[in-house]
Amino acid sequence: QSALTQPASVSGSPGQSITISCTGTSSDVGSYNLVSWYQQHPGKVPKLMIYEVNKRPSGVSNRFSGSKSGNTASLTISGLQAEDEAHYYCCSYLGSSRGMFGGGTKVTVL
Amino acid sequence: QVQLVQSGAELEKPGASVKVSCKTSGYIFTDYLIHWVRQAPGQGLEWMGWINPINGNTNSAQRFQGRVTMTRDTSSNTIDMEVTSLSSDDTAIYYCARDSIRPHGGYVFDYWGQGTLVTVSS
Repeated sequence: QSALTQPASVSGSPGQSITISCTGTSSDVGSYNLVSWYQQHPGKVPKLMIYEVNKRPSGVSNRFSGSKSGNTASLTISGLQAEDEAHYYCCSYLGSSRGMFGGGTKVTVL
Repeated sequence: QVQLVQSGAELEKPGASVKVSCKTSGYIFTDYLIHWVRQAPGQGLEWMGWINPINGNTNSAQRFQGRVTMTRDTSSNTIDMEVTSLSSDDTAIYYCARDSIRPHGGYVFDYWGQGTLVTVSS
């Protein structure tokens, strides 16, 4: 089964922008615009931040944006704030009615 | 308001089975797929499978096929997931999550249950 690769950690100072990558293959991320991103604070339930590559649900800050190039999807957080410190997970449709999460990225605000 | 309320924590022995329930409310039960996601202690999220409440069709990740059964009860708007042949590797928080994309799903989990801790220990 394919894997979605995320960096283990990304850090930035308040106000900066950071980007988290999610690399799959031409059979999953590269073939479908069904990539979503989730934020999870310690001990909390995951929260949907981005869906269908670049759509933002109602109520999610416009500091969060998504994109995709080839087999890699990305989540960008602009104007980094202390409250953004959390784990972030990508999720992609794999085909054959199955999905998968990436390994997760810990975002640290310096 | 949309709510997914899961059953309470479970402690099981290796080799046993466990059933976790997810009671939904606040929306039309048959309109949205329900997925199951688990998270082992200190680890990431793992997609397990989905069920379509309108017809009971299911699909699961290859590693869970034959060991995970998902069912639905349209009279109580509840989804159950049973995991058999438990091992310590199955110790995790299990979440149900609604897929917001109708009718076939899009792996967009907009509402989540509160999670159910399943501990497997002898």
